[in-house]
Amino acid sequence: EAQVTQNPRYLITVTGKKLTVTCSQNMNHEYMSWYRQDPGLGLRQIYYSMNVEVTDKGDVPEGYKVSRKEKRNFPLILESPSPNQTSLYFCASSSRFGAGGNTYEQYFGPGTRLTVT
Amino acid sequence: SQQGEEDPQALSIQEGENATMNCSYKTSINNLQWYRQNSGRGLVHLILIRSNEREKHSGRLRVTLDTSKKSSSLLITASRAADTASYFCAPSTDTGRRALTFGSGTRLQVQP
Repeated sequence: EAQVTQNPRYLITVTGKKLTVTCSQNMNHEYMSWYRQDPGLGLRQIYYSMNVEVTDKGDVPEGYKVSRKEKRNFPLILESPSPNQTSLYFCASSSRFGAGGNTYEQYFGPGTRLTVT
Repeated sequence: SQQGEEDPQALSIQEGENATMNCSYKTSINNLQWYRQNSGRGLVHLILIRSNEREKHSGRLRVTLDTSKKSSSLLITASRAADTASYFCAPSTDTGRRALTFGSGTRLQVQP
């Protein structure tokens, strides 16, 4: 089954304790992205990657790191989490090309609800 | 990327009725996508319409795009209780980083 998986789904942690949220896709997509979703602020992009070893900042990258060593995986790293990073996080992937040329549809993981106390 | 504004904020209808929600945006776009989110869960891509298209269908979904008015509408025909969800539009000029920016969405409640 084509899918994007994220782990963990729920995480409660304390300020300053490093954590990693994993993301994996089995669709051989070149493009992957991390978003956070907050009430009243909508969905915002944190980081994205257009291919292996190619990553760049989105709209709200502060406090986050990513890596793309393999095509299927795109982990999100919080080196020193703070309470303002409490949020619902989504990983997404997308193929660059389809039958009709460039494609833009993104496939989302189930989300990771992170609470930092 | 730019944020779309969905209208209405909330919509409650009976099963079998049609649901229409609207999206407005501010600047020229390359494409506009609609996504659905069931309460607190993942986002599902519904349909994409390109800037040179005026109307697109997918099953019970019909999307229109009026670039002169910078607006789009999503029509769900013969709604079902399972259509209960929040719906977001994502207008995009960004073909590079493909950032999606969602607003608050339209919360659709379909009463059985």
